[in-house]
Amino acid sequence: QQQVKQSPQSLIVQKGGISIINCAYENTAFDYFPWYQQFPGKGPALLIAIRPDVSEKKEGRFTISFNKSAKQFSLHIMDSQPGDSATYFCAAVSAGFQKLVFGTGTRLLVSP
Amino acid sequence: GAVVSQHPSWVICKSGTSVKIECRSLDFQATTMFWYRQFPKQSLMLMATSNEGSKATYEQGVEKDKFLINHASLTLSTLTVTSAHPEDSSFYICSASGTDYGYTFGSGTRLTVV
Repeated sequence: QQQVKQSPQSLIVQKGGISIINCAYENTAFDYFPWYQQFPGKGPALLIAIRPDVSEKKEGRFTISFNKSAKQFSLHIMDSQPGDSATYFCAAVSAGFQKLVFGTGTRLLVSP
Repeated sequence: GAVVSQHPSWVICKSGTSVKIECRSLDFQATTMFWYRQFPKQSLMLMATSNEGSKATYEQGVEKDKFLINHASLTLSTLTVTSAHPEDSSFYICSASGTDYGYTFGSGTRLTVV
């Protein structure tokens, strides 16, 4: 129940296209859903996060869509750029559990 | 924004020696710190959780005598890999959490044991 399933495992998108990464969870106690971006040899950096009381959050080219009833959330990267090429992790946490539960990661490659 | 400094960024040590990795929260008080291990092309694997002034809580399968964690202050946690062996070679990452929900990660430490 503590798992977060992430897909796809890898993704190739042309420059200017939309990158979409999906995550699903089972634990309804999760109440904070961050997305992290990680470049090779670096630690993860918070990209954007959402709480379940809203269905969408947008920051620049990055948007989280959240479907509470389906227990799914997704990251959309609009106008994808080569500099967006990185590994993306979704995560979830509940106030009572404290520990982040990570998805398995998606390696995004944006071709020029 | 919140910043977590992790040092060293990379270290090479001989088999049988110990290595210490530091994790500092620079502009906030970290009530809780987390240590992760990451293998190539894999997700982060939580090793242990530490609260300031308390003993660390280790995840199942993590040897607490090999991976010593100290969280002596609200801004500093250390991970010491004792009697390191080649199989301990990995990418180690710390994360710090303050009073809000933010989890800020360090830049990671690449450990190579030869």
